[in-house]
Amino acid sequence: EVQLLDSGGGLVQPGGSLRLSCAASGFTFTNYAMSWVRQAPGKGLEWVSGISGSGGSTYYADSVKGRFTISRDNSENTLFLQMNSLTAEDTALYYCGKGSYYEINAWFGPWGQGTLVTVSS
Amino acid sequence: DIQMTQSPSSLSASVGDSVTITCRASQGISNSLAWYQQKPGKAPNLLLYAASRLESGVPSRFSGSGSGTYYTLTISSLQPEDFATYYCQQYYSTPHTFGAGTKVEIK
Repeated sequence: EVQLLDSGGGLVQPGGSLRLSCAASGFTFTNYAMSWVRQAPGKGLEWVSGISGSGGSTYYADSVKGRFTISRDNSENTLFLQMNSLTAEDTALYYCGKGSYYEINAWFGPWGQGTLVTVSS
Repeated sequence: DIQMTQSPSSLSASVGDSVTITCRASQGISNSLAWYQQKPGKAPNLLLYAASRLESGVPSRFSGSGSGTYYTLTISSLQPEDFATYYCQQYYSTPHTFGAGTKVEIK
């Protein structure tokens, strides 16, 4: 059974940094692209970032480009999202998701349970 | 970036009704479309991919169709567990944009 466990969220001040993790199990991690999506309180889903199975290709939404970095450790079956220069607009529940193929342009599912990031002073 | 316009934003229906949600892409996406269901406090759940292919374990009352820029999700014979918010997402190119969502409520 595929399992994705998101962690690392918390309260951070504007301008601060946070590193999210997603521990994956139940599938051959290196064979699949992974993504992060987020959901601000009471709002819809927003795609944030994606990474190919090898980690060699990464992709970002314009809203986070230059501030967020996606990476993966295929030896530890873990996906990361390093978030810098955080603003209140980054406050959201962040979900990691498993791709259906090695490359990024395919459907995603399942998704982790989410980890909450709150940016506030 | 590809914009996804989803409608309606909400609808009210009764158990047993059939409902249709539409999603229009700002450019052709070659059936690279997924539909998700999300219940309050839960992660999104993949229902369909490639516009019309049912994810394993999803009831057959869910169906999808479309091509080019226009796609639909139909739920035939709504069940109590189907009251939720539904999102379309294109994965033709990054960023993998979502529609704004459709909340299906009980009439």
